[in-house]
Amino acid sequence: DADVTQTPRNRITKTGKRIMLECSQTKGHDRMYWYRQDPGLGLRLIYYSFDVKDINKGEISDGYSVSRQAQAKFSLSLESAIPNQTALYFCATSAETSGRIEFGPGTRLTVT
Amino acid sequence: EDQVTQSPEALRLQEGESSSLNCSYTVSGLRGLFWYRQDPGKGPEFLFTLYSAGEEKEKERLKATLTKKESFLHITAPKPEDSATYLCAVHKGAQKLVFGQGTRLTINP
Repeated sequence: DADVTQTPRNRITKTGKRIMLECSQTKGHDRMYWYRQDPGLGLRLIYYSFDVKDINKGEISDGYSVSRQAQAKFSLSLESAIPNQTALYFCATSAETSGRIEFGPGTRLTVT
Repeated sequence: EDQVTQSPEALRLQEGESSSLNCSYTVSGLRGLFWYRQDPGKGPEFLFTLYSAGEEKEKERLKATLTKKESFLHITAPKPEDSATYLCAVHKGAQKLVFGQGTRLTINP
């Protein structure tokens, strides 16, 4: 089984709809992240969480919210989706000491 | 402002033709530099971490090196299965990574 799983893997939604992307991990890591990847712009950090009660904004948090339901679960919500949120979204985890971030398989989101 | 720049954006090589990818950075308080490999439609896969100038890491046909201003990923005698996008990222504390835009590498048989 994969260490980091994301659901759904692909999603097409309409402008204005609320959508939630889910992430779960079995690595036992405390730290979880949401990144967005766009062609030509690289990976950009949306939100990160160092434990269940800790939530921090990344560089592009506007239009997004997150929830850390448990150590192993971190979800990303788009309250009212817009077309420029069409992108590949990655959940990631890391152990406190390593600095190394490990990524999930990604969710391809299309907003029409 | 922290910046990570990778070059070239794309590189096409023949099988067996060695080359290098560059990652230059301007970051205060560098705590590590990471290299990842990403295949189309998949998440980035960790390759190496480098922590200090002069450090080198190797894995199969790949070798990563680090100076105070840049890192190189050397690919020796590449094979078609080495085709992927290679990403570098700098770690500047709080375990946040700043990524470059990647180099898309294609190895032709």
